[in-house]
Amino acid sequence: KQEVTQIPAALSVPEGENLVLNCSFTDSAIYNLQWFRQDPGKGLTSLLLIQSSQREQTSGRLNASLDKSSGRSTLYIAASQPGDSATYLCAAGPGGTSYGKLTFGQGTILTVHP
Amino acid sequence: EAGVAQSPRYKIIEKRQSVAFWCNPISGHATLYWYQQILGQGPKLLIQFQNNGVVDDSQLPKDRFSAERLKGVDSTLKIQPAKLEDSAVYLCASRDRFTGELFFGEGSRLTVL
Repeated sequence: KQEVTQIPAALSVPEGENLVLNCSFTDSAIYNLQWFRQDPGKGLTSLLLIQSSQREQTSGRLNASLDKSSGRSTLYIAASQPGDSATYLCAAGPGGTSYGKLTFGQGTILTVHP
Repeated sequence: EAGVAQSPRYKIIEKRQSVAFWCNPISGHATLYWYQQILGQGPKLLIQFQNNGVVDDSQLPKDRFSAERLKGVDSTLKIQPAKLEDSAVYLCASRDRFTGELFFGEGSRLTVL
């Protein structure tokens, strides 16, 4: 059974800092890994999707990496802004008959203060 | 492109009452999911549909939860009778068949008193 863990559970940084959010998963037989952002009282917004054959994906100030062999993914946020404050969730996507059924971590609550 | 639509956004009921949530996925997305998110936790899959057929409902509490997707587009999730522990956000998602990316709706927040 896949288990996904995110560290740290919460992070508070001053504006402008570069930061790294960590995600680890127990079963390396994943098809893809997806990072989401969740604002309070809102649904999930997809940030980045990394296929198992890829090592990283970039979108603007966000960069996500994937190391299947070690069961880890990181989300790097450059030059953080107060608007980046949200909960960040990673989710492992299996292949085969379970394709698309994501297992989520518990999230990292990020606060960026001015 | 319109996103995943869900309603109602909020619902408060008393235990043992029933409630239904509706979802309209992104046009053309054949795969639809219902997830349950309890406060402070990541979402947990309840059921997966492929068109109008159930692919996986192994984590759906079938004694009280039911879901359908009769015409392969809209879906309804029902809880009857509700328990206190059903208080959660119910998220609907649909999947892009080319990229595998999941897109979520805003969710329906249920409070059971």
